[in-house]
Amino acid sequence: EVQLVDSGGGLVQPGGSLRLSCAASGFNFSSYGMNWVRQAPGKGLEWVSYISSSSSSIYYSDSVKGRFTISRDNANTSLYLQMNSLRDEDTAVYYCTRESTGGAFDYWGQGTLVTVSS
Amino acid sequence: DIQMTQSPSSLSASVGDRVTITCQASQDISNYLNWYQQKPGRAPKLLIYDASNLETGVPSRFSGSGSGTDFTFTISSLQPEDIATYHCQQYDNLPFTFGPGTKVDVK
Repeated sequence: EVQLVDSGGGLVQPGGSLRLSCAASGFNFSSYGMNWVRQAPGKGLEWVSYISSSSSSIYYSDSVKGRFTISRDNANTSLYLQMNSLRDEDTAVYYCTRESTGGAFDYWGQGTLVTVSS
Repeated sequence: DIQMTQSPSSLSASVGDRVTITCQASQDISNYLNWYQQKPGRAPKLLIYDASNLETGVPSRFSGSGSGTDFTFTISSLQPEDIATYHCQQYDNLPFTFGPGTKVDVK
């Protein structure tokens, strides 16, 4: 059974940092691209970042470029999102998602809440 | 960036009704369009990929159609468990973008 378990969220002050983790199991993690998608309270879904299976291709939304860093550890089947210089508008539930060969997000983690507030 | 719009933003229908949601892209995205269902407090779930393909295990009352800029998502016979918000998403171009969502309620 495919499982993605998100962790690492919490309350952080503006300008602070957090590192999110996503533990993957039940599939060949090293064969799939992975993404982070976030959802601010009461709002829609926003794509944040993508990393290819071998980490050779990485992309970010303009809203996080230069502040967030996506990475993965295929040996430990884990995905990460290092978030620096956090802003109030980064407050959201963050989901890791698996990207199917067709480009859809076919599996999602349960989400981890990041709250940026003083 | 490709902008995605959805209509209506919310709807209320009776059990057994046919429900239709539309999604429009700001430019041609071919069939690179997915639909997700999100129940309150839960992560989204993929229902339809590539505009019209039903994800494995998803009930056949859900369907999708369209290409280019205009897409349609249909629930042929609304069930109580279909109460959720439905999101469309394009993956033709980065950044991947989602529609604002359509909240479906049962009367």
